[in-house]
Amino acid sequence: EPEVTQTPSHQVTQMGQEVILRCVPISNHLYFYWYRQILGQKVEFLVSFYNNEISEKSEIFDDQFSVERPDGSNFTLKIRSTKLEDSAMYFCASTRRQWPETQYFGPGTRLLVL
Amino acid sequence: SQQGEEDPQALSIQEGENATMNCSYKTSINNLQWYRQNSGRGLVHLILIRSNEREKHSGRLRVTLDTSKKSSSLLITASRAADTASYFCATDLNTNAGKSTFGDGTTLTVKP
Repeated sequence: EPEVTQTPSHQVTQMGQEVILRCVPISNHLYFYWYRQILGQKVEFLVSFYNNEISEKSEIFDDQFSVERPDGSNFTLKIRSTKLEDSAMYFCASTRRQWPETQYFGPGTRLLVL
Repeated sequence: SQQGEEDPQALSIQEGENATMNCSYKTSINNLQWYRQNSGRGLVHLILIRSNEREKHSGRLRVTLDTSKKSSSLLITASRAADTASYFCATDLNTNAGKSTFGDGTTLTVKP
């Protein structure tokens, strides 16, 4: 069964460093999403992406964040200058059609900013 | 205002029993989703119900939506130990781009 994959599974970085989180959505999916979950807190929407453009973003998704689909398979989330409060689990998801639609989530990347 | 508040926060039942979780929200929505998350793992999208729908089924899952009461319920019938997880509802407002607001979740424990 096709699945969304994410790499790395864990990342530790120093405050102020740039990180790139990678996701490979399901191959015939066209809509992509990033969410984060700070430990012990709610899942939070970050951004949705379609046709090489951001469709929707939350207040969390400020200028420090960017997303990109650099090729036909990867979907990346970049945090330019990490802060301690960026420590969280980051989940990628994809849907085949436009929302509302069943989402398929990756296993997540646990980011720890020291 | 907060959207997607689940009730109860925690639920413990015996295998074979039914589990009912509730979600309340404050503002009008387009869609409501239920998700499952096993401890420390990724999310699984269980059911999406649109604002013009009242009930949906998927296997042992039954979701209802009452827009007049701004509430939804998730019923898991004939529960199994493998159903042990956290269950979240999430609501969409006026967007078609998946900008959902999640609740805190209900932690379900199914004892064998």
